Amino acid sequence: DTGVSQDPRHKITKRGQNVTFRCDPISEHNRLYWYRQTLGQGPEFLTYFQNEAQLEKSRLLSDRFSAERPKGSFSTLEIQRTEQGDSAMYLCASSSLPGQGPYEQYFGPGTRLTVT
Amino acid sequence: KNEVEQSPQNLTAQEGEFITINCSYSVGISALHWLQQHPGGGIVSLFMLSSGKKKHGRLIATINIQEKHSSLHITASHPRDSAVYICARTTGNQFYFGTGTSLTVIP
Repeated sequence: DTGVSQDPRHKITKRGQNVTFRCDPISEHNRLYWYRQTLGQGPEFLTYFQNEAQLEKSRLLSDRFSAERPKGSFSTLEIQRTEQGDSAMYLCASSSLPGQGPYEQYFGPGTRLTVT
Repeated sequence: KNEVEQSPQNLTAQEGEFITINCSYSVGISALHWLQQHPGGGIVSLFMLSSGKKKHGRLIATINIQEKHSSLHITASHPRDSAVYICARTTGNQFYFGTGTSLTVIP
């Protein structure tokens, strides 16, 4: 399978614990995006990378959230000291740069986080 | 504002019906996207539009740039079309998503 993959698919954690999610984009894609989606809402932008550089972060991304893409391939999203309000689906997407093909995003299956 | 508005929020149709989902936005765009999300979370891109109309099988997407409005049509709807349909605009490097239209097609 050459699509976007995310791990784990589900995570249940207790409030106050740290969690880390992984995203593996389509291999030739140099842009990688993280989104958060709560029930009944569309995805909300969190951050995006172009290769290994984190180019933009949403104000939604509090100090407890950090994302990395150390070698420009896979990315991790860490949430420290989780809160119940962090419960959501965390989606990863990748794309190629405009000019290198259609600027569509390809989404992973998401990681559903439940904070108890 | 970055709003993308969709209507209706929920839609129930009988199998075979013609379905229309609407999307409006308020700022200039690079492109307008229609996406499909099935239960469990996976999102699939259906269309990317910057003008005119596109067709893929029973799905048709149109956009009117002047009116900042797009529609997604499904002809001869089928229960397997049941999903959430999300409209998103791209401006610059970011995607801005609507809240989705939940479609249920009853056999």
